[in-house]
This record gives sequence, C-alpha cells and structure tokens, in this order.
Amino acid sequence: EAGVVQSPRYKIIEKKQPVAFWCNPISGHNTLYWYLQNLGQGPELLIRYENEEAVDDSQLPKDRFSAERLKGVDSTLKIQPAELGDSAVYLCASSLGQGSTGELFFGEGSRLTVL
Amino acid sequence: GENVEQHPSTLSVQEGDSAVIKCTYSDSASNYFPWYKQELGKRPQLIIDIRSNVGEKKDQRIAVTLNKTAKHFSLHITETQPEDSAVYFCAASEGYDMRFGAGTRLTVKP
Repeated sequence: EAGVVQSPRYKIIEKKQPVAFWCNPISGHNTLYWYLQNLGQGPELLIRYENEEAVDDSQLPKDRFSAERLKGVDSTLKIQPAELGDSAVYLCASSLGQGSTGELFFGEGSRLTVL
Repeated sequence: GENVEQHPSTLSVQEGDSAVIKCTYSDSASNYFPWYKQELGKRPQLIIDIRSNVGEKKDQRIAVTLNKTAKHFSLHITETQPEDSAVYFCAASEGYDMRFGAGTRLTVKP
C-alpha cells in the first residue's frame, strides 16, 4: 500500500511568487496534518483536518497561507505571496483518526526554497 | 497548547554505548508520547510510542520511560550502531493534536 504522497518534492521560486503543495494521505485516513519543518527543528503544526473540516488552523499564517481538503481526501497547501522566511520543508501526515493508535504517517515532504 | 522541550540537541556516542534523550511536556492532558526517527532527507518514522497508562515500554534495543507526575519521558537506545545515527523527535498529544520537540541529532561513531 502506498504511503503518504506529496508533490512536488522540491520547489524553487522567487519571493512574492505563489506556490502550492499537494498531499495524498493513506487511504482511509481521516485525519490529515500539514507541518512546517525548518532546518534543524522539529515539525510545527500548521493545520489539522478531520475529514474535510479544518479543526485546528490556529498556527496557519492566514494572511498568506491557505489550505483545503476537498472531499476529505487530498489536500493542498498554498502560499501567496511567498517570502524568504518561508523556505522550509512542508510535511504532510495522516492518521486513521477516531479509534486509531494515534500514529502519524508522514510523507517525504516538499522542500521549498524562496530566492 | 502543548509545549514539548527536548534535550540534548546533539549527542555523540561510541558504537556499543547507550544513548538517552529526554523530553518534557507542559499539558497534563497529553496521553500519547511517540518517538520518531528521521534520517537525512527522509520522512520521520515512528520507532516506539507509549501511552499515559504505562510507565515503560521496550522494543529490542530501544525503550521509552514515562513519568506522568514530572511530565517527562525519555528514549533509551542500548548497544548503539552506526545505523542509529539520525535525528530523533519526541512528541506529545492529547487526542490528535500532536506537538513535537526540536529534535536530537544522534551520531554513533564506529
């Protein structure tokens, strides 16, 4: 079974440009997370979905970041416009949700470089 | 919200020695404490976890201990091997709100 799939793996853009990341969670996983990982740091939660509902987006900088999870499966994370400080790895993770062990399964991440 | 602190940030040991990484958490409602291993350029992967109703859990060379009163938990790796070299993250969650520590870079010298 395929794990969490993210694309693109790498993206280089100039500041003020838009960028979007896509995540396909493990089939049947109701909970989906977007984390930001700066170099040498732990993952920081940006947003968490339960099915199609964003249940925790308190850490998402809403002036430039947006996310959606249509139909409760795939999700996209968008940054517009990107700033130099947005350079980081954006990790998507999923879990079964209600009744699960709580284990998060991560994708390979999308590494963003803003020039 | 939950705040997780992790120490040390870097750890270097000789092959065969033991390694210990410690974490503290702030939210007494947290009840699930996983440890993830992340090799360079790869995704974090779960290596062991513990729930708040258990004080210790062991899986071959790795073990985790939890002290709910003090709100800290630790990862123990015995008989370390070069392939144990990676960044290790602790995390704490209540429900599905999982927060991570800053990570420990473990280097095992042959």
